[in-house]
Amino acid sequence: DIQMTQSPSTLSASVGDRVTITCRASQSISNWLAWYQQKPGKAPKLLIYKASTLESGVPSTFSGSGSGTDFTLTISSLQPDDFATYYCQQYNGFSRTFGQGTKVEVK
Amino acid sequence: EVHLVESGGGLVKPGDSLRLSCAASGLTFSRAWLNWVRQAPGKGLEWVGRNEGKVDGGTTNYAAPVKGRFIISRDDSKDTLYLQMNSLKAEDTAVYYCTTDHGVRGSDVWGQGTMVTVSS
Repeated sequence: DIQMTQSPSTLSASVGDRVTITCRASQSISNWLAWYQQKPGKAPKLLIYKASTLESGVPSTFSGSGSGTDFTLTISSLQPDDFATYYCQQYNGFSRTFGQGTKVEVK
Repeated sequence: EVHLVESGGGLVKPGDSLRLSCAASGLTFSRAWLNWVRQAPGKGLEWVGRNEGKVDGGTTNYAAPVKGRFIISRDDSKDTLYLQMNSLKAEDTAVYYCTTDHGVRGSDVWGQGTMVTVSS
């Protein structure tokens, strides 16, 4: 099974900061990677798919990059609504795997 | 607009069985690929399994922790996906989400989740 290692597990930041979260796959997944945002008590929300394609309605302050095994989610200017937990997910082949999550909290 | 609504959660004892349902609307259900994803209290997301639409072969795949105990099935006449959970363990305690599974776009629609608690 493909393992996903996400870092950091927690990130303290302020409004306006540039934030970067990384995700590494245990083997190549091409660009079959998605990023989700989850707020407490709510279902996750798709932000980015195919590593870098922004889901409709998601602010352009979010961007994704990478291919193969190394991927990055960047928030160019953190907004108050962006404090949440973020997960990467690989969807290469028949299985899916999530990263452990990154909680973005107020510094 | 696509909607997924899970139901069937509750409190059960270790070793018991439980069946969850996911009622879908707003999509061609027979062609839809769907996932079950769970989240234990205070923990991260864990993929449980996936079912392809019968048109695409109807293949079902499971995560290692549930393989052999959980069964995903569907009733296309009712636009409903099921998760039959057998031999439940305390570590199966979680919110269970039903999600779409687009081969290209990942999971763009999620249900609200249903809570399963396994405790003696």
